[in-house]
Amino acid sequence: GEDVEQSLFLSVREGDSSVINCTYTDSSSTYLYWYKQEPGAGLQLLTYIFSNMDMKQDQRLTVLLNKKDKHLSLRIADTQTGDSAIYFCAERGTGGGNKLTFGTGTQLKVEL
Amino acid sequence: GAVVSQHPSWVICKSGTSVKIECRSLDFQATTMFWYRQFPKQSLMLMATSNEGSKATYEQGVEKDKFLINHASLTLSTLTVTSAHPEDSSFYICSAIGVGTSGANVLTFGAGSRLTVL
Repeated sequence: GEDVEQSLFLSVREGDSSVINCTYTDSSSTYLYWYKQEPGAGLQLLTYIFSNMDMKQDQRLTVLLNKKDKHLSLRIADTQTGDSAIYFCAERGTGGGNKLTFGTGTQLKVEL
Repeated sequence: GAVVSQHPSWVICKSGTSVKIECRSLDFQATTMFWYRQFPKQSLMLMATSNEGSKATYEQGVEKDKFLINHASLTLSTLTVTSAHPEDSSFYICSAIGVGTSGANVLTFGAGSRLTVL
């Protein structure tokens, strides 16, 4: 089945850029997503990218997609303490309707 | 935008009792709802997919008699954990997608329900 992997933990200083990486195995992925989860809360969709794109920018967020290497990254510019959370990437393939396969999640800690 | 409400946000129950968790789409009609389970510091595991008016489709390894899912209306799906045991303690999250200006083609997540079984 599909597999989505992420680093478990990332720590950055406030004001620096954060880059969270994700690799996936499903070559038929159509959409790839980044979600943010704060403690005890549900998931908040941050951004998504269609598989025929290689970059998408939305304010402080930049998503890069290398489809050949099946590698997705999320860059957060000027990281703030409020960005501390767990970030999940997810992929949606061509089968299974709107089913998403989630990555293992990366905990981002922003230090002063 | 699309809003999905889950209730309760946290429930503590005794072992052997049943617990019902509700998932409501507030401003759109949810034709499909998904139920996930999340263990601490882990990713989301899809439990089942429910389409309004039909039986839920369960993922492999998920006991359908243990986790009863009902999607009787376009705005409500319920997950009932029957005869709950401590190992069922987890964070349960629903998501919904549907029709309507707010919910069309957008997968929206609820805030999650934490179940603690003593």
